[in-house]
Amino acid sequence: TQLLEQSPQFLSIQEGENLTVYCNSSSVFSSLQWYRQEPGEGPVLLVTVVTGGEVKKLKRLTFQFGDARKDSSLHITAAQPGDTGLYLCAGLRGNTPLVFGKGTRLSVIA
Amino acid sequence: GAGVSQTPSNKVTEKGKYVELRCDPISGHTALYWYRQSLGQGPEFLIYFQGTGAADDSGLPNDRFFAVRPEGSVSTLKIQRTERGDSAVYLCASSLSMTSSYNEQFFGPGTRLTVL
Repeated sequence: TQLLEQSPQFLSIQEGENLTVYCNSSSVFSSLQWYRQEPGEGPVLLVTVVTGGEVKKLKRLTFQFGDARKDSSLHITAAQPGDTGLYLCAGLRGNTPLVFGKGTRLSVIA
Repeated sequence: GAGVSQTPSNKVTEKGKYVELRCDPISGHTALYWYRQSLGQGPEFLIYFQGTGAADDSGLPNDRFFAVRPEGSVSTLKIQRTERGDSAVYLCASSLSMTSSYNEQFFGPGTRLTVL
């Protein structure tokens, strides 16, 4: 069983559209991270959310941590081809290892 | 740059052979992690070092997998008697420490292992 479920698994949209991807779990996390990974490279950290209900913005990307710290969402406004990649959420519970979801593969078409 | 580096970038081997994968972490990072990423999956934790010692090796799938970090810097992941199911991208990451909730890990580009 997957501890962190990400949806959708694949997403293909036109440039300029908005999108939201989700990361859900039945477990509580002390923090949750979002990474972006491009082909042939390792994941790169985008943001860490720690407090339930927290919202963080990174340019056109908005990240939200659920009130119960079990889920998170990533919203992209006016997507651009440069946003194409694999978006991974990862949860941390205390000092246990990071647990990753399977990722959402985003393709933004010009 | 001063990021995490991994060698080789690609490794093709035959079933039953022994392989070693190397990771050079960011200088000064005491924590080092190994992950395995199969096609269509997120990274899966294998082992974590704090300094020279393996603090958590609960993710190693079986005793064919072993990792060392003798001087607290470079780490080597060793796989004995490789099987086709071992084919994956092996990622290494490092961080300043494991103790912070923020625990920002910096990943290397990975080694793509193919077992024929």
